[in-house]
Amino acid sequence: AQKVTQAQTEISVVEKEDVTLDCVYETRDTTYYLFWYKQPPSGELVFLIRRNSFDEQNEISGRYSWNFQKSTSSFNFTITASQVVDSAVYFCALSVYNFNKFYFGSGTKLNVKP
Amino acid sequence: NAGVTQTPKFRVLKTGQSMTLLCAQDMNHEYMYWYRQDPGMGLRLIHYSVGEGTTAKGEVPDGYNVSRLKKQNFLLGLESAAPSQTSVYFCASITPAEGWGEQFFGPGTRLTVL
Repeated sequence: AQKVTQAQTEISVVEKEDVTLDCVYETRDTTYYLFWYKQPPSGELVFLIRRNSFDEQNEISGRYSWNFQKSTSSFNFTITASQVVDSAVYFCALSVYNFNKFYFGSGTKLNVKP
Repeated sequence: NAGVTQTPKFRVLKTGQSMTLLCAQDMNHEYMYWYRQDPGMGLRLIHYSVGEGTTAKGEVPDGYNVSRLKKQNFLLGLESAAPSQTSVYFCASITPAEGWGEQFFGPGTRLTVL
């Protein structure tokens, strides 16, 4: 069975602080894909990044970075120098090779205060 | 391109009433999904479709039916609404061969069952 756990329900930081959102996944499949989505207060779901199970290279995109570690089944997301506009709920998700099903974590609500 | 659209955006039902939510995509995507989002529980997959004329159950299918008579449309039906079906419903679509599973989401439908 597949499962995604986001243990941090809510995080509050002050603007310009760095913050890491944790994601731990479970799957027995060897081919799988991991995703992060952002849901701002307006409610839409915004795709941030995708990683496949064969690519453990970390990725940096501006203030965002992702750390994928198969050894600990984790795919953590770090925001550097957070901004108020980063306030949102962030979801981690998992899909196995055929994309028939996606499994979402319960989300982490990030509050960035000015 | 409009992307993924959902109709209606809001709806209030009384217990026992029926309704159909429409999801339409203009990206010629093969796969389509229906999710529900409840506070603290992330997105849970209700039903999905991997092509026109095919549907399958997701994680929480009870109380819902779906149909995919046309490739671009995916309908979610509630035959006898219950208060437990009060939720925000999201539709999504992908073409597996492109974009490695990045889901394109609709704006959501907020359903309240009294």
